[in-house]
Amino acid sequence: GNSVTQMEGPVTLSEEAFLTINCTYTATGYPSLFWYVQYPGEGLQLLLKATKADDKGSNKGFEATYRKETTSFHLEKGSVQVSDSAVYFCAQMIKAAGNKLTFGGGTRVLVKP
Amino acid sequence: NAGVTQTPKFQVLKTGQSMTLQCAQDMNHEYMSWYRQDPGMGLRLIHYSVGAGITDQGEVPNGYNVSRSTTEDFPLRLLSAAPSQTSVYFCASSYSFGVDTQYFGPGTRLTVL
Repeated sequence: GNSVTQMEGPVTLSEEAFLTINCTYTATGYPSLFWYVQYPGEGLQLLLKATKADDKGSNKGFEATYRKETTSFHLEKGSVQVSDSAVYFCAQMIKAAGNKLTFGGGTRVLVKP
Repeated sequence: NAGVTQTPKFQVLKTGQSMTLQCAQDMNHEYMSWYRQDPGMGLRLIHYSVGAGITDQGEVPNGYNVSRSTTEDFPLRLLSAAPSQTSVYFCASSYSFGVDTQYFGPGTRLTVL
Protein backbone atom coordinates (compact mmCIF):
# COMPACT_ATOMS: atom_id res chain seq x y z
CA GLY A 1 0.00 0.00 0.00
CA ASN A 2 0.88 3.66 0.05
CA SER A 3 2.81 4.77 3.11
CA VAL A 4 5.38 7.24 4.38
CA THR A 5 8.12 6.39 6.87
CA GLN A 6 10.24 8.96 8.62
CA MET A 7 12.85 8.75 11.32
CA GLU A 8 11.62 8.77 14.86
CA GLY A 9 12.60 11.54 17.17
CA PRO A 10 13.18 13.40 19.15
CA VAL A 11 16.17 14.92 17.43
CA THR A 12 18.11 17.27 19.71
CA LEU A 13 20.61 19.67 18.18
CA SER A 14 22.62 22.70 19.10
CA GLU A 15 22.04 25.98 17.32
CA GLU A 16 23.86 26.23 13.96
CA ALA A 17 24.09 22.44 13.64
CA PHE A 18 23.16 20.58 10.45
CA LEU A 19 19.76 18.92 10.42
CA THR A 20 18.67 15.91 8.36
CA ILE A 21 15.35 14.15 8.74
CA ASN A 22 14.99 11.02 6.65
CA CYS A 23 11.77 10.25 4.80
CA THR A 24 11.01 7.35 2.47
CA TYR A 25 7.77 6.49 0.72
CA THR A 26 6.04 3.56 -0.91
CA ALA A 27 3.52 4.36 -3.58
CA THR A 28 1.59 2.57 -6.30
CA GLY A 29 1.69 5.66 -8.48
CA TYR A 30 3.82 8.77 -8.80
CA PRO A 31 3.31 10.85 -5.67
CA SER A 32 3.80 14.48 -4.94
CA LEU A 33 5.84 14.90 -1.79
CA PHE A 34 5.54 17.42 1.02
CA TRP A 35 7.11 18.50 4.26
CA TYR A 36 4.80 20.09 6.82
CA VAL A 37 5.91 21.73 10.07
CA GLN A 38 3.94 22.02 13.29
CA TYR A 39 5.11 24.61 15.80
CA PRO A 40 4.06 24.17 19.44
CA GLY A 41 0.34 24.70 19.93
CA GLU A 42 -0.35 25.33 16.26
CA GLY A 43 -1.70 23.49 13.25
CA LEU A 44 0.42 22.20 10.40
CA GLN A 45 1.95 24.53 7.83
CA LEU A 46 3.33 23.56 4.46
CA LEU A 47 7.11 23.94 4.52
CA LEU A 48 7.99 22.77 1.00
CA LYS A 49 6.90 20.40 -1.73
CA ALA A 50 8.08 18.64 -4.88
CA THR A 51 5.79 17.27 -7.54
CA LYS A 52 8.11 15.16 -9.72
CA ALA A 53 11.37 13.25 -9.63
CA ASP A 54 14.55 15.32 -9.16
CA ASP A 55 12.57 18.40 -8.12
CA LYS A 56 14.00 20.27 -5.15
CA GLY A 57 11.68 22.03 -2.75
CA SER A 58 13.09 24.80 -0.59
CA ASN A 59 11.84 27.29 1.97
CA LYS A 60 13.22 29.08 5.05
CA GLY A 61 16.64 27.48 4.53
CA PHE A 62 15.19 23.95 4.37
CA GLU A 63 15.63 21.79 1.29
CA ALA A 64 14.43 18.39 0.13
CA THR A 65 15.02 16.60 -3.19
CA TYR A 66 12.59 14.10 -4.68
CA ARG A 67 14.67 10.97 -5.28
CA LYS A 68 12.70 8.42 -7.26
CA GLU A 69 15.55 5.87 -7.37
CA THR A 70 15.70 5.69 -3.57
CA THR A 71 12.03 6.64 -2.97
CA SER A 72 13.19 9.32 -0.57
CA PHE A 73 12.54 12.96 0.27
CA HIS A 74 14.96 13.80 3.05
CA LEU A 75 14.71 17.20 4.72
CA GLU A 76 17.91 19.18 5.35
CA LYS A 77 18.92 22.50 6.82
CA GLY A 78 22.49 23.67 7.06
CA SER A 79 22.29 25.77 10.22
CA VAL A 80 19.31 25.41 12.53
CA GLN A 81 17.98 28.02 14.92
CA VAL A 82 16.08 27.68 18.17
CA SER A 83 12.98 28.84 16.27
CA ASP A 84 13.18 25.67 14.13
CA SER A 85 12.11 23.59 17.12
CA ALA A 86 8.94 21.89 15.93
CA VAL A 87 7.47 18.62 14.71
CA TYR A 88 8.13 17.88 11.04
CA PHE A 89 5.86 15.65 8.95
CA CYS A 90 6.67 14.10 5.61
CA ALA A 91 3.63 13.41 3.42
CA GLN A 92 2.70 12.16 -0.02
CA MET A 93 -0.26 12.69 -2.29
CA ILE A 94 -1.08 10.28 -5.12
CA LYS A 95 -3.47 11.28 -7.87
CA ALA A 96 -4.51 7.67 -8.47
CA ALA A 97 -5.36 7.32 -4.77
CA GLY A 98 -7.81 10.18 -4.82
CA ASN A 99 -5.33 12.94 -4.04
CA LYS A 100 -5.45 12.27 -0.33
CA LEU A 101 -2.47 13.16 1.85
CA THR A 102 -0.71 10.30 3.63
CA PHE A 103 1.51 11.40 6.51
CA GLY A 104 4.52 9.92 8.22
CA GLY A 105 4.58 9.69 11.99
CA GLY A 106 6.32 13.02 12.53
CA THR A 107 9.77 13.87 13.89
CA ARG A 108 10.15 16.19 16.83
CA VAL A 109 13.17 18.48 16.58
CA LEU A 110 14.52 20.40 19.55
CA VAL A 111 17.20 23.01 18.98
CA LYS A 112 19.08 24.19 22.06
CA PRO A 113 20.87 27.54 22.30
CA ASN B 1 -8.83 36.38 6.17
CA ALA B 2 -9.18 34.31 9.32
CA GLY B 3 -8.11 31.19 7.39
CA VAL B 4 -9.28 27.90 8.90
CA THR B 5 -10.90 28.19 12.32
CA GLN B 6 -11.86 25.39 14.69
CA THR B 7 -13.93 25.34 17.86
CA PRO B 8 -13.62 24.37 20.61
CA LYS B 9 -9.89 24.27 21.32
CA PHE B 10 -10.30 21.79 24.15
CA GLN B 11 -13.10 19.40 25.07
CA VAL B 12 -13.60 16.66 27.64
CA LEU B 13 -16.39 14.15 27.11
CA LYS B 14 -17.67 11.12 28.92
CA THR B 15 -18.01 7.82 27.11
CA GLY B 16 -21.24 7.72 25.16
CA GLN B 17 -21.71 11.48 24.85
CA SER B 18 -22.04 13.11 21.46
CA MET B 19 -20.63 16.38 20.23
CA THR B 20 -19.80 18.37 17.12
CA LEU B 21 -16.41 19.83 16.28
CA GLN B 22 -16.79 22.95 14.22
CA CYS B 23 -14.61 23.94 11.26
CA ALA B 24 -14.95 26.98 9.04
CA GLN B 25 -12.85 28.59 6.33
CA ASP B 26 -13.21 31.95 4.63
CA MET B 27 -10.96 31.33 1.62
CA ASN B 28 -13.68 29.92 -0.66
CA HIS B 29 -11.91 26.57 -0.73
CA GLU B 30 -13.72 23.66 -2.33
CA TYR B 31 -11.80 20.89 -0.57
CA MET B 32 -12.06 20.34 3.18
CA SER B 33 -10.97 17.46 5.35
CA TRP B 34 -10.70 16.20 8.91
CA TYR B 35 -7.66 14.46 10.38
CA ARG B 36 -6.86 13.02 13.75
CA GLN B 37 -3.35 13.17 15.16
CA ASP B 38 -2.13 10.47 17.51
CA PRO B 39 1.39 10.11 18.91
CA GLY B 40 3.77 8.38 16.49
CA MET B 41 1.05 7.91 13.87
CA GLY B 42 1.10 11.19 12.04
CA LEU B 43 -2.22 12.47 10.80
CA ARG B 44 -4.89 10.12 9.57
CA LEU B 45 -7.73 11.20 7.31
CA ILE B 46 -11.21 10.76 8.80
CA HIS B 47 -13.55 12.30 6.21
CA TYR B 48 -13.23 14.75 3.38
CA SER B 49 -15.37 16.84 1.05
CA VAL B 50 -14.66 18.03 -2.49
CA GLY B 51 -17.48 20.56 -2.44
CA ALA B 52 -20.78 21.51 -0.86
CA GLY B 53 -23.09 18.52 -0.67
CA ILE B 54 -20.30 15.97 -1.32
CA THR B 55 -18.52 13.99 1.38
CA ASP B 56 -16.51 10.78 1.44
CA GLN B 57 -14.72 8.54 3.91
CA GLY B 58 -11.04 8.62 4.62
CA GLU B 59 -8.81 6.14 6.37
CA VAL B 60 -10.50 6.06 9.79
CA PRO B 61 -14.18 7.08 9.41
CA ASN B 62 -15.84 4.82 11.97
CA GLY B 63 -17.60 6.67 14.78
CA TYR B 64 -17.66 10.00 12.93
CA ASN B 65 -20.17 11.74 10.69
CA VAL B 66 -19.78 14.79 8.50
CA SER B 67 -21.91 17.01 6.31
CA ARG B 68 -21.14 19.90 3.99
CA SER B 69 -24.16 22.13 3.51
CA THR B 70 -22.10 25.22 2.68
CA THR B 71 -18.68 25.86 1.15
CA GLU B 72 -17.49 27.48 4.38
CA ASP B 73 -18.42 24.93 7.04
CA PHE B 74 -17.48 21.30 7.58
CA PRO B 75 -18.54 20.04 11.04
CA LEU B 76 -17.40 16.69 12.43
CA ARG B 77 -19.84 14.79 14.64
CA LEU B 78 -18.96 12.18 17.20
CA LEU B 79 -22.07 10.07 17.63
CA SER B 80 -21.17 8.19 20.80
CA ALA B 81 -17.73 9.11 22.10
CA ALA B 82 -15.27 6.36 23.05
CA PRO B 83 -11.88 6.60 24.80
CA SER B 84 -10.24 5.51 21.52
CA GLN B 85 -11.36 8.84 20.06
CA THR B 86 -9.14 10.77 22.45
CA SER B 87 -6.94 12.67 20.03
CA VAL B 88 -6.13 16.02 18.49
CA TYR B 89 -8.38 16.83 15.54
CA PHE B 90 -7.35 19.04 12.66
CA CYS B 91 -9.47 20.50 9.92
CA ALA B 92 -7.82 21.44 6.63
CA SER B 93 -8.88 23.08 3.38
CA SER B 94 -7.46 23.71 -0.06
CA TYR B 95 -8.59 25.51 -3.18
CA SER B 96 -9.17 22.34 -5.15
CA PHE B 97 -8.94 18.60 -4.87
CA GLY B 98 -5.47 18.18 -6.26
CA VAL B 99 -1.86 18.99 -5.60
CA ASP B 100 -2.67 22.13 -3.71
CA THR B 101 -1.39 23.50 -0.45
CA GLN B 102 -3.65 22.44 2.38
CA TYR B 103 -4.25 24.99 5.13
CA PHE B 104 -4.73 23.60 8.60
CA GLY B 105 -6.71 24.90 11.53
CA PRO B 106 -5.20 25.17 15.04
CA GLY B 107 -6.73 21.90 16.20
CA THR B 108 -9.16 20.63 18.84
CA ARG B 109 -7.80 18.52 21.68
CA LEU B 110 -10.46 16.00 22.70
CA THR B 111 -10.32 13.76 25.74
CA VAL B 112 -12.90 11.02 26.24
CA LEU B 113 -13.08 9.62 29.75
